[in-house]
Amino acid sequence: DAGVTQSPTHLIKTRGQQVTLRCSPISGHKSVSWYQQVLGQGPQFIFQYYEKEERGRGNFPDRFSARQFPNYSSELNVNALLLGDSALYLCASSSGNSGNTIYFGEGSWLTVV
Amino acid sequence: AQRVTQPEKLLSVFKGAPVELKCNYSYSGSPELFWYVQYSRQRLQLLLRHISRESIKGFTADLNKGETSFHLKKPFAQEEDSAMYYCALTPSNSGGSNYKLTFGKGTLLTVNP
Repeated sequence: DAGVTQSPTHLIKTRGQQVTLRCSPISGHKSVSWYQQVLGQGPQFIFQYYEKEERGRGNFPDRFSARQFPNYSSELNVNALLLGDSALYLCASSSGNSGNTIYFGEGSWLTVV
Repeated sequence: AQRVTQPEKLLSVFKGAPVELKCNYSYSGSPELFWYVQYSRQRLQLLLRHISRESIKGFTADLNKGETSFHLKKPFAQEEDSAMYYCALTPSNSGGSNYKLTFGKGTLLTVNP
């Protein structure tokens, strides 16, 4: 049984560029969340999507956007990259039912130079 | 606003010794508390949640609403317990379709032989 899968696993971008990160949830899971984890910190909530609708947004600038597709996969987009956007981006999925467990992917390491 | 504090960045114990990882939280409502663990080269995974009141891998945690704490304890540490531990919180009425986790900064536990 495949867990949450994310791509790419590592990437390097230049300041000002744009990046798209992808996430496939566990089969049957309808909720996808995105977290940013800067080195030495805990994960920080960016977005949650459920049934293709945004259900929550963390304290991130509008340069960050996301969407969820009909097959429940998701993309996180970051525009006008800054050096401070360098981090591990984690995707998590859950069934969307009350009391459910959230499962995390291995993350996408983004380095902005 | 909700906040999770893990006062120890690093904790080192010897095998067989008791271990306690501290977690304090700040939240005006009724929270649901979790401990997540990340072993070396593995993804973040749920260790336990307070509503389950169960012991996982010998670890237990009790929610103390008076002290707003959710400390993780194990009476006899094992070398395989060495990992990064994160305490996390979500509002208990958040439901599965509207789910945001607030994480602490984590504690790196090292169990020495």
